[in-house]
Amino acid sequence: DGGITQSPKYLFRKEGQNVTLSCEQNLNHDAMYWYRQDPGQGLRLIYYSQIVNDFQKGDIAEGYSVSREKKESFPLTVTSAQKNPTAFYLCASSVMGGYTFGSGTRLTVV
Amino acid sequence: SQELEQSPQSLIVQEGKNLTINCTSSKTLYGLYWYKQKYGEGLIFLMMLQKGGEEKSHEKITAKLDEKKQQSSLHITASQPSHAGIYLCGAPYFNNNDMRFGAGTRLTVKP
Repeated sequence: DGGITQSPKYLFRKEGQNVTLSCEQNLNHDAMYWYRQDPGQGLRLIYYSQIVNDFQKGDIAEGYSVSREKKESFPLTVTSAQKNPTAFYLCASSVMGGYTFGSGTRLTVV
Repeated sequence: SQELEQSPQSLIVQEGKNLTINCTSSKTLYGLYWYKQKYGEGLIFLMMLQKGGEEKSHEKITAKLDEKKQQSSLHITASQPSHAGIYLCGAPYFNNNDMRFGAGTRLTVKP
């Protein structure tokens, strides 16, 4: 079955560490997105990519980095520069406006 | 500021009651999506509305789009505990290359 796989489901990060969240899709979608979700707030866009080897900053890109070396993969790195990284992270892909979401990764700073 | 405002923020209803969730856009709508999210999980697509006046139904959930008011409503008839979760509306805008989302409405259905 086609879909988006995010891993891990739960992730703990120590202060000053970089961590990478994985997002893989087998839907053959060109566009992929990373959103951050905080309690009581909607999804906020971190980065998006419309084609391989190209990506654009979203509204809250500071402290994050991404790569898009393959169509299927769009990993997100949360760097030590992100001062408040504890949140729920959602990856999505889309074609013709229809979005498919992964099941999310909950990142906690310890 | 958010392009999409949802109301109410949270809703507690008794099982069997009807309820309505609203989503209002501050910009022209070119389409409107409704998603449901269980806590700690991804978003599940419910419905997409593209034309003004369009109305779609799936089981006991009905969504309408009023382009003039730049608003959509989601109505659940005879609510059940399985309807509990967070409902989010999303919309694409021409000057964005992504979809913008409302803050969500948290629905609790009491048995």
